[in-house]
Amino acid sequence: AQKVTQAQTEISVVEKEDVTLDCVYETRDTTYYLFWYKQPPSGELVFLIRRNSFDEQNEISGRYSWNFQKSTSSFNFTITASQVVDSAVYFCALSGTEYNFNKFYFGSGTKLNVKP
Amino acid sequence: EAGVVQSPRYKIIEKKQPVAFWCNPISGHNTLYWYLQNLGQGPELLIRYENEEAVDDSQLPKDRFSAERLKGVDSTLKIQPAELGDSAVYLCASSLDLAGAEQFFGPGTRLTVL
Repeated sequence: AQKVTQAQTEISVVEKEDVTLDCVYETRDTTYYLFWYKQPPSGELVFLIRRNSFDEQNEISGRYSWNFQKSTSSFNFTITASQVVDSAVYFCALSGTEYNFNKFYFGSGTKLNVKP
Repeated sequence: EAGVVQSPRYKIIEKKQPVAFWCNPISGHNTLYWYLQNLGQGPELLIRYENEEAVDDSQLPKDRFSAERLKGVDSTLKIQPAELGDSAVYLCASSLDLAGAEQFFGPGTRLTVL
């Protein structure tokens, strides 16, 4: 089965705190892709990052970093020194290449509230 | 370059009325997706097009929902007749036809059925 689980429904932090959003996935594909999207209050889903299943290198982009661990089927997202503008719903997604090619499976999202 | 365009942004209708949503994908993207997003949930795929062909419509409620992408560019999603439970945000996305291609989303149409 293809499934993405975001166990944290909502997280509240104070500005400048670090925060990690968890994502756990299930797939029967050997080659697959993982994504993070941000959905601000305006509503439009914004693509943040994509990783393929053969690349377990962690990635850092400014205040954002991603930790992909195949052994635990996790793809966690950390925001360092959070800002109010980071307040949004964040979605993790999975797409496979063997079963249901390029069909996206989204998690239920984690709502992040960053308070000043 | 323009992103995915959707219209209308908001629609309020009475139950049993028909409604249609329009989407224009990013130029050059031959894959187009329609999603349904309920409050507090992630997007759920309704239908996926490769050019003008619907390659995955397994989750489209075909008794009342229909979609078309006649020339392989823009697309229309229709509901007839609408029910109260159809109130949601309808999202359109597009991507290149490559393994693992990221999808780019439009702003969505928020439908309210009274």
